[in-house]
Amino acid sequence: DQQVKQNSPSLSVQEGRISILNCDYTNSMFDYFLWYKKYPAEGPTFLISISSIKDKNEDGRFTVFLNKSAKHLSLHIVPSQPGDSAVYFCAASARRNYGQNFVFGPGTRLSVLP
Amino acid sequence: EAQVTQNPRYLITVTGKKLTVTCSQNMNHEYMSWYRQDPGLGLRQIYYSMNVEVTDKGDVPEGYKVSRKEKRNFPLILESPSPNQTSLYFCASSLSSWGNTEAFFGQGTRLTVV
Repeated sequence: DQQVKQNSPSLSVQEGRISILNCDYTNSMFDYFLWYKKYPAEGPTFLISISSIKDKNEDGRFTVFLNKSAKHLSLHIVPSQPGDSAVYFCAASARRNYGQNFVFGPGTRLSVLP
Repeated sequence: EAQVTQNPRYLITVTGKKLTVTCSQNMNHEYMSWYRQDPGLGLRQIYYSMNVEVTDKGDVPEGYKVSRKEKRNFPLILESPSPNQTSLYFCASSLSSWGNTEAFFGQGTRLTVV
């Protein structure tokens, strides 16, 4: 059973509008969450992260929100740009799983239309 | 430039023929890991290493071996590849084993076993 879920395999958004990518997790021991972006033929690259002691983290156009009670996080991209078109992976980790590092979701493919 | 280098980028091989995928990082990271990416499943961890001569199984270790004789290198070995190991493989390194720091990924190795 997947511990990290991204239920939308794909998402299309108009340039300039907001993109919202969602992620749900089942393991209440997860205490750190990251988003990675992946372009075709490249490895994933780190985008933004959030600790479980926070509910929001912002970096430029990217904001991640964490709702611990709902075991849900979301990535907001405002405004969306065509260069944001990529696959986005949500990842989670737990300090008690020392060594095993991240558990990844299946990814959401974002297409930003010009 | 900080980077993780994997070789080869593409490989087609036959069932049972031993192969090695190399991975090298220049960031002096202690933690390194291997993932495989399959459609709908995201990135799943194969093996990880917390330091030289310290390795352990991830979520999907069957059919794989690793070694960590030097800090910078972490090769992935398939002793007898099978078609179900056809996948996209990523090597990653990070400063911390706790999962609270970003991982740097290589560009990936697309392996096809026929």
